Amino acid sequence: DTAVSQTPKYLVTQMGNDKSIKCEQNLGHDTMYWYKQDSKKFLKIMFSYNNKELIINETVPNRFSPKSPDKAHLNLHINSLELGDSAVYFCASSQDRLAGVETQYFGPGTRLLVL
Amino acid sequence: AQSVSQHNHHVILSEAASLELGCNYSYGGTVNLFWYVQYPGQHLQLLLKYFSGDPLVKGIKGFEAEFIKSKFSFNLRKPSVQWSDTAEYFCAVNAGSNSGYALNFGKGTSLLVTP
Repeated sequence: DTAVSQTPKYLVTQMGNDKSIKCEQNLGHDTMYWYKQDSKKFLKIMFSYNNKELIINETVPNRFSPKSPDKAHLNLHINSLELGDSAVYFCASSQDRLAGVETQYFGPGTRLLVL
Repeated sequence: AQSVSQHNHHVILSEAASLELGCNYSYGGTVNLFWYVQYPGQHLQLLLKYFSGDPLVKGIKGFEAEFIKSKFSFNLRKPSVQWSDTAEYFCAVNAGSNSGYALNFGKGTSLLVTP
């Protein structure tokens, strides 16, 4: 009964390829997020999304795009992969986001390696 | 610039030693504060959080944290650590619209507890 799940767990690919990472939450939450954890374990928000609004961290290249087919899913598409995209990508969800007090529940992460 | 700082990047303790991990933030206005833990090979889990009320917050596994508004601090403590506490610890702030409605993390503290 995983609350937030991601697939794949590991992704190894060549530079220039396009790839997607899927995220699903079964918590009935309204808001989902994507975070990137670099090689030094630093976590940084990439996107915050609910059915009303997408908030994009301005430092995220436009090669990254979130796609939400429904409230329970937020997939991450990456075009023209670069070496610097190698990282662990975490999906998370929370009931809402307006007050900022909600606990975010994280998925297990997807370890992306670009060769 | 708004940020979250964790002063100790690597901490090594013997079992039964006391732990205190520092966290300072520079956001103005109302902030909601979190400590997350990432055990080796696992996803992030919430240890505790503060958003109002008693500034001394108790979390899971014997952890507690104290919010000191005048010092912009939210230090994590545990009186007696165990080997199983070996993990990465992340302090995070959610300042609502001031932080893009997402968690903004410190760079983490790697804790190693030796037998």
